[in-house]
Amino acid sequence: EAGVAQSPRYKIIEKRQSVAFWCNPISGHATLYWYQQILGQGPKLLIQFQNNGVVDDSQLPKDRFSAERLKGVDSTLKIQPAKLEDSAVYLCASRKPGAGDETQYFGPGTRLLVL
Amino acid sequence: DAKTTQPPSMDCAEGRAANLPCNHSTISGNEYVYWYRQIHSQGPQYIIHGLKNNETNEMASLIITEDRKSSTLILPHATLRDTAVYYCIVRAPWRAGKSTFGDGTTLTVKP
Repeated sequence: EAGVAQSPRYKIIEKRQSVAFWCNPISGHATLYWYQQILGQGPKLLIQFQNNGVVDDSQLPKDRFSAERLKGVDSTLKIQPAKLEDSAVYLCASRKPGAGDETQYFGPGTRLLVL
Repeated sequence: DAKTTQPPSMDCAEGRAANLPCNHSTISGNEYVYWYRQIHSQGPQYIIHGLKNNETNEMASLIITEDRKSSTLILPHATLRDTAVYYCIVRAPWRAGKSTFGDGTTLTVKP
C-alpha cells in the first residue's frame, strides 16, 4: 500500500512570497489533515477535511493560509504572503473515516524555510 | 485535550527495555491515552492507545495507573531504530486524528 505523498520535500522562499504544498493521501482515506511543525515542537493541526469538505479549520491562520481538496482526493495548502514565522515542516496525514488513530498515516512533510 | 507532562529526554541501552513516563493528572473519564513517535525527518507514527487497561501490541506495551493520572510506554527490547521523539497525548476517541502534540520525549538508544 502506497503511503501519503507530499511535494515538494523542501522549499526556500523569501518573506512576502507565495508557496503551495501538495498532498496525495492513501487511497480510500476520506479524511485528510494538514499539520504545521515548528522546529523543536510537536505538530499542530491546521485543517481537517472529510472528502472535499472542511471539518475543522479553527487553527488555520486564514488571513494568509488557505487549503482546498476540490475532488476529495489530493489537497493543496497555500501560504500567501509568507512570513518568517511560517518556517516549519508541513505534514499531511490521512485516515479512514470512522476508524481510529491506528489507521492514520503521515506523509514525510514539506520543509519550508522563509528568508 | 488534557495536558500531559513528559521528560524532555531519556537514554536507553540497546537491547534493554525503554520505559517512557507520562503524567496526565487532569485526564477525564472519556479520554484515552495515545502514544505516537516521530523518527527524524519522518511524520509521526501511531504506536498504541488505551483507556484504563494495560495494552500490548507488536510495537510496545502501555501501562496505565489505576487512577489514570499517569502512564508508561514500554519498548521491551529497544533498538537503535527506536531513537525518536515519543509523544503522549490524551484526548477523547471521537477526536480521532486531531491530536494535540506537546514537545514529547526524545529517546536516544545507545549501542
